[in-house]
This record gives sequence, structure tokens and C-alpha cells, in this order.
Amino acid sequence: SQQGEEDPQALSIQEGENATMNCSYKTSINNLQWYRQNSGRGLVHLILIRSNEREKHSGRLRVTLDTSKKSSSLLITASRAADTASYFCATDFKAAGNKLTFGGGTRVLVKP
Amino acid sequence: DGGITQSPKYLFRKEGQNVTLSCEQNLNHDAMYWYRQDPGQGLRLIYYSQIVNDFQKGDIAEGYSVSREKKESFPLTVTSAQKNPTAFYLCATGPGGASGELFFGEGSRLTVL
Repeated sequence: SQQGEEDPQALSIQEGENATMNCSYKTSINNLQWYRQNSGRGLVHLILIRSNEREKHSGRLRVTLDTSKKSSSLLITASRAADTASYFCATDFKAAGNKLTFGGGTRVLVKP
Repeated sequence: DGGITQSPKYLFRKEGQNVTLSCEQNLNHDAMYWYRQDPGQGLRLIYYSQIVNDFQKGDIAEGYSVSREKKESFPLTVTSAQKNPTAFYLCATGPGGASGELFFGEGSRLTVL
């Protein structure tokens, strides 16, 4: 499988701290997306970064993409208890058509 | 209210029974997808459809079947041939064409007794 792989698998931080998680993939992509999932719920799209972009921001989220290293990072700044969730990267591989491949996710716990 | 509706939210099945999970959308999206999620894992693609009356197998299609007779609907049948069907099933839609974000339903949790 050409899944992206997230690192770390789990992360525990205090409210107010920053949370960083990484995603690595294996083959060329059209874009990379990050999604959030609260326990037992569906996924919610956070941000999409295209292969010709290096960095994108959305509120407290910052995503970087390094295509030479085939990796991306998601930074959540000034975390809140409500940020507790699982975060998934999803890649749109050039050879895969219009479908996304999801990684295993990073489970983030923000302690108040 | 616009969105994606999955039903039922919880479903119990005896071994050997087929069950059908419903996914309905009013977002006017061309593409629809079914994913399976096991505890603590990521999502794996079962089937997807980019247009009415057409669908393709994903990475784990064995033991599942789908239909796409209407743009709004993409039901998934979990057949008795699926050996380990207990999982969380997620339906998603997207505008199709050039890749973009997916919109997810709230999921259906299937438990085989």
C-alpha cells in the first residue's frame, strides 16, 4: 500500500503548547491533505497543500510540504483541550487517480 | 441542511447475514467513496464512484458490493463473504474531477455477533 505514515502515533501535551506531527509518503503526489477526527465521528477536512506549495496557514494550523523528502508536517499552535482528536494525512498519488490514501493517524491529547 | 447522511449509526449482524449501509448526500457531488476504519487505524478504501452508474474497486473490495443508481445515493452491502466485517464504515463525497477535499458522513459502526 502507498499509505502515508504519520509520526508520532500518539502525542500528549498541555494546553497552550504546540503540537507537531509528521507525515511521510512514498511516491509523487498531486496534493496532500490533513483531516481531523473526533472519537467516533467522521473526518473533517483541515487543509490541502499542493505539490508546488511549501507552506500553508489556516488559523492556528501551519502545514509544510517537502517533496524532496516526501514529507509533510502539521503544526497546531497554542493548543486547546478541544484540539484533542486524531489527525490524518491523506495523499493524492499521481498514479492513483482521484482517490485519497490515508495514513494511520496521530492521536493528540491536549490536557487542560 | 446540506450534508451527508449515513444510516444506521449502529448495526449488529449475525454471521452469515448480508447488511446494507446507506449513504445519501445533497451536496450535488459527483464522487462518492466508502472507507473502512478499524480501531486505532487509518482509513482503507473499499469502493468509489466518480459518476452515476459507474464504480471502481478500492484496496479492500473483497466481500463488499455497491451500486450507484442515483447521484445522491451510494449504498454499501457487506456480504457474508467478508470474513472480518466488524468495523467503522465511513462514506465520503467530493466534487470529483481534479482532486480536492472530501466531505465525510458520521459513520456507521457494524458489529458482528
